[in-house]
Amino acid sequence: QTVVTQEPSFSVSPGGTVTLTCGLSSGSVSTSYYPSWYQQTPGQAPRTLIYTTNTRSSGVPDRFSGSILGNKAALTITGAQSDDESDYYCVLYMGSGISVFGGGTRLSVL
Amino acid sequence: VQLVESGGGLVKPGGSLRLSCAASGFTFSTYSMNWVRQAPGKGLEWVSSISSSSSYIYYADSVKGRFTISRDNAKNSLYLQVNSLRAEDTAVYYCARVPLEWLFNYMDVWGKGTTVTVSS
Repeated sequence: QTVVTQEPSFSVSPGGTVTLTCGLSSGSVSTSYYPSWYQQTPGQAPRTLIYTTNTRSSGVPDRFSGSILGNKAALTITGAQSDDESDYYCVLYMGSGISVFGGGTRLSVL
Repeated sequence: VQLVESGGGLVKPGGSLRLSCAASGFTFSTYSMNWVRQAPGKGLEWVSSISSSSSYIYYADSVKGRFTISRDNAKNSLYLQVNSLRAEDTAVYYCARVPLEWLFNYMDVWGKGTTVTVSS
């Protein structure tokens, strides 16, 4: 059973930079998993941020960027703002039509 | 571009529902589609995917054999037949558009969701 791992929570100061990561319980995340990232505020549908590792979805500010850092996918937010306070989910494509979400990271901006 | 889910409700364990997702504002027949769910207070979970022509269908292990995804391109609609429901199926069910035919983890448009509650 493949488990996609994310930090349960993270905090960042307004204006600061934070990097959230997305790993595998066994093995390394590479571009071959085409990592995507989604932002969700309570009670709302998810919003697409990043796909295929580092491509920003339409309308997403360039404060959000995706990459591979070491053996994990990463979402970096620069110049954090109060409305970045949300849950962030990565999802990996495992092949054969199967996608697996990470458990999500709750980001606090304070 | 809009996706609107419907069909959720309260159902007893072992019961069934048919969830629907009405698409508008884009050429539905050219897109793959997903169902994703979120249990109360929990994270997102991929449930099922279907390609544009229904040629390829995939399920998470947690729902395989109980849920059936389908679509009617003439009606611009996506469906999820959910059978043998369990308490752990209680969730908000979202439909989402997949803009790259085969890359099912990339979803660019989401509906607002429909709530399924399984309880006796």
